[in-house]
Amino acid sequence: EPEVTQTPSHQVTQMGQEVILRCVPISNHLYFYWYRQILGQKVEFLVSFYNNEISEKSEIFDDQFSVERPDGSNFTLKIRSTKLEDSAMYFCASKKGPTDTQYFGPGTRLTVL
Amino acid sequence: AQKITQTQPGMFVQEKEAVTLDCTYDTSDPSYGLFWYKQPSSGEMIFLIYQGSYDQQNATEGRYSLNFQKARKSANLVISASQLGDSAMYFCAMSPGYSTLTFGKGTMLLVSP
Repeated sequence: EPEVTQTPSHQVTQMGQEVILRCVPISNHLYFYWYRQILGQKVEFLVSFYNNEISEKSEIFDDQFSVERPDGSNFTLKIRSTKLEDSAMYFCASKKGPTDTQYFGPGTRLTVL
Repeated sequence: AQKITQTQPGMFVQEKEAVTLDCTYDTSDPSYGLFWYKQPSSGEMIFLIYQGSYDQQNATEGRYSLNFQKARKSANLVISASQLGDSAMYFCAMSPGYSTLTFGKGTMLLVSP
């Protein structure tokens, strides 16, 4: 069964460094999302992406964040200058059509020191 | 504003018994999806079940069923015949207008032998 994949599974970085989190959505899916989950808290929406552009973003998704679909398969989240409070699990999700279920990847645990 | 409320931080159930996890929601959008996801200790988010706002019948998926009461704005998850592997965090989520997902804070379910 096709699934969303994410790399790396763990990333440790120093404050102020740039990180890129990578996702490969399910191949025939058209809608892509990033969410984050700070340890012990609920999952929060960051950004949605459709038709090669951002369709919606939350207030968390400030100028430090950007997303890209550099080719036909990858979907990336870049954090330009990481802060301690960016430490969280980051989930990528995708869905095929507008009313379909979102399927999540296994997540990337980001630790900012 | 969209809101999901899960009032049970933790639930205990014995193996083979049924358990109900509560979820209430609030949205002004007439069209929405309701979802339950399971998050085991390994961290991934596993889709369990979906209910559309216009669905007349309650959704069922194997041992999972969703008790949808639209007038009360509730979407409780019922797990029948609990298994040890059901021990996990369970998140209720809503997608108003079938856009992004808004999550509740989750319920930790522990199944004992």
